[in-house]
Amino acid sequence: ETGVTQTPRHLVMGMTNKKSLKCEQHLGHNAMYWYKQSAKKPLELMFVYSLEERVENNSVPSRFSPECPNSSHLFLHLHTLQPEDSALYLCASSQESAGGELFFGEGSRLTVL
Amino acid sequence: GQSLEQPSEVTAVEGAIVQINCTYQTSGFYGLSWYQQHDGGAPTFLSYNALDGLEETGRFSSFLSRSDSYGYLLLQELQMKDSASYFCASDSGGYQKVTFGTGTKLQVIP
Repeated sequence: ETGVTQTPRHLVMGMTNKKSLKCEQHLGHNAMYWYKQSAKKPLELMFVYSLEERVENNSVPSRFSPECPNSSHLFLHLHTLQPEDSALYLCASSQESAGGELFFGEGSRLTVL
Repeated sequence: GQSLEQPSEVTAVEGAIVQINCTYQTSGFYGLSWYQQHDGGAPTFLSYNALDGLEETGRFSSFLSRSDSYGYLLLQELQMKDSASYFCASDSGGYQKVTFGTGTKLQVIP
């Protein structure tokens, strides 16, 4: 148990579906992140929220839409995805002043058919 | 931009010592972290080096040389449970923009 909970753990969706991934952190952190992990590739930073404001958007396609309603919750809304978007989506949180330490959830395994 | 390179796979014997290297090219470099990820699990933080030198945490040690843009993770007294993927990561920016390396899959054999 890392203090970061992601749901659902597994998701299969068609290219025309709309779904959302949810992340909740119980650590009192003030920054939250979405990372994408694909086979044979480094973890790719997608979005960063600091104090509930988006501070980073790494040229992610608009079919991925993040939402951070408060400092404990982060969502990733998915629509009209492509098969190449199939991956493990990891949520993480951190305290801004802490050196490089991210706390990850166990991820949501997404398969796009 | 930032990039971090690691060997893709390493195999070592139980009880031995293994070193996993990481070279980086970054702008605005603050420090180097190491994470462990077992298959199907979440990456978990192991160590962080903000200054040059060696940091020791139990069986794991991590080293950083800023002048060489190089670091390594040293695992001693290897155990079977240490079989996992290990990632180095650099951070830059106050909101902890962390960029990960390519990852090294460590296999510990009896």
